[in-house]
Amino acid sequence: AQSVTQLDSQVPVFEEAPVELRCNYSSSVSVYLFWYVQYPNQGLQLLLKYLSGSTLVKGINGFEAEFNKSQTSFHLRKPSVHISDTAEYFCAVSDLRDTDKLIFGTGTRLQVFP
Amino acid sequence: ETGVTQSPTHLIKTRGQQVTLRCSSQSGHNTVSWYQQALGQGPQFIFQYYREEENGRGNFPPRFSGLQFPNYSSELNVNALELDDSALYLCASSLIAGVSTGELFFGEGSRLTVL
Repeated sequence: AQSVTQLDSQVPVFEEAPVELRCNYSSSVSVYLFWYVQYPNQGLQLLLKYLSGSTLVKGINGFEAEFNKSQTSFHLRKPSVHISDTAEYFCAVSDLRDTDKLIFGTGTRLQVFP
Repeated sequence: ETGVTQSPTHLIKTRGQQVTLRCSSQSGHNTVSWYQQALGQGPQFIFQYYREEENGRGNFPPRFSGLQFPNYSSELNVNALELDDSALYLCASSLIAGVSTGELFFGEGSRLTVL
């Protein structure tokens, strides 16, 4: 079964610094990959997704992620964070052999300090 | 604002009780998925409803059940509540083709506390 690992439960960073949130998944066979963001007391919002094509995908709010098939990774990056980026970030995978659900990682709490 | 509304937003129950959570999906969407998000964890898939039929189910016991109505709104019912059922329950609406491509629109969730 597919699984998603987010090794960093919390990432503290100062405003305007770059950030990388790491995500690894268990199998590269027939998957789509996603990053969702959850602001306090809100539901999840899709940041970006990789379905096919270019391995570098750009999303909302200046975020981007790179699909690396050989390392089964899909790390999220932003060159300069804002206070407003403080939130919980979830990596998720859709297994195309089982399309009724997304499988989420445990999340990374990004805390941006002034 | 996703257009997906859930009710109630918070509720407290005791062990053994039953609970019903409701979800109004976004206009035009025919699929509703329910996820359980325990504290400090990622969302876990409970089940999905498409055209009023269960279309997939995660690793949850039968005391978790659901309904989808002709207007595509949905209910999640949990019987014989246990302490471990305490969690944020998220509803996501989509088109059926949008599930695998991540085009899910989540509500803000219903936070259930079981004492």
